[in-house]
Amino acid sequence: EPEVTQTPSHQVTQMGQEVILRCVPISNHLYFYWYRQILGQKVEFLVSFYNNEISEKSEIFDDQFSVERPDGSNFTLKIRSTKLEDSAMYFCASRLTGGWNTEAFFGQGTRLTVV
Amino acid sequence: EDKVVQSPLSLVVHEGDTVTLNCSYEVTNFRSLLWYKQEKKAPTFLFMLTSSGIEKKSGRLSSILDKKELFSILNITATQTGDSAVYLCAVISSGSARQLTFGSGTQLTVLP
Repeated sequence: EPEVTQTPSHQVTQMGQEVILRCVPISNHLYFYWYRQILGQKVEFLVSFYNNEISEKSEIFDDQFSVERPDGSNFTLKIRSTKLEDSAMYFCASRLTGGWNTEAFFGQGTRLTVV
Repeated sequence: EDKVVQSPLSLVVHEGDTVTLNCSYEVTNFRSLLWYKQEKKAPTFLFMLTSSGIEKKSGRLSSILDKKELFSILNITATQTGDSAVYLCAVISSGSARQLTFGSGTQLTVLP
């Protein structure tokens, strides 16, 4: 069964460093998302990406964050100058279409720990 | 701002019990409601509901949506220890990118 894959599964970084979280969405999917879940809190939307550009972003997704689809398969989230409060589980998701009746498939997540 | 509220926040039952998890929502331009099960990491998809009153069923799990009263319930009958997880409710509204707005989840623990 096709799945969304994320690497690494766990990343530890020092405050102020830059991290890149990687995702390979399901191959024929067209809409890609990043969500995050701070420990004990709800899953929060960060950004959506379609047709090689950001289609929507939340207020969390400020200038510290950027996304890219550098080739036909990878979808990355870059976090510059990481802060302690960026520690969270980051989920990538993809959907076949942008319609309201298609579900999102989630990757296993990257646990980011900023120390 | 779209809002999704789940109750209870946590629930502890014994194997064989039946549980009902609740999800209420306030969103503009509601389109669909989804239930996910989150065990250790990734939320895994359970159901998508778009129409009121039509029950979706998969084995011991079932769910129904009430678009008039703006809520959904997820029922699990004859619970097993493997049902222990966080159950997440999310809605899609007609924003441009159809992102999901999640509730806080219900932590279900099934004891042997």
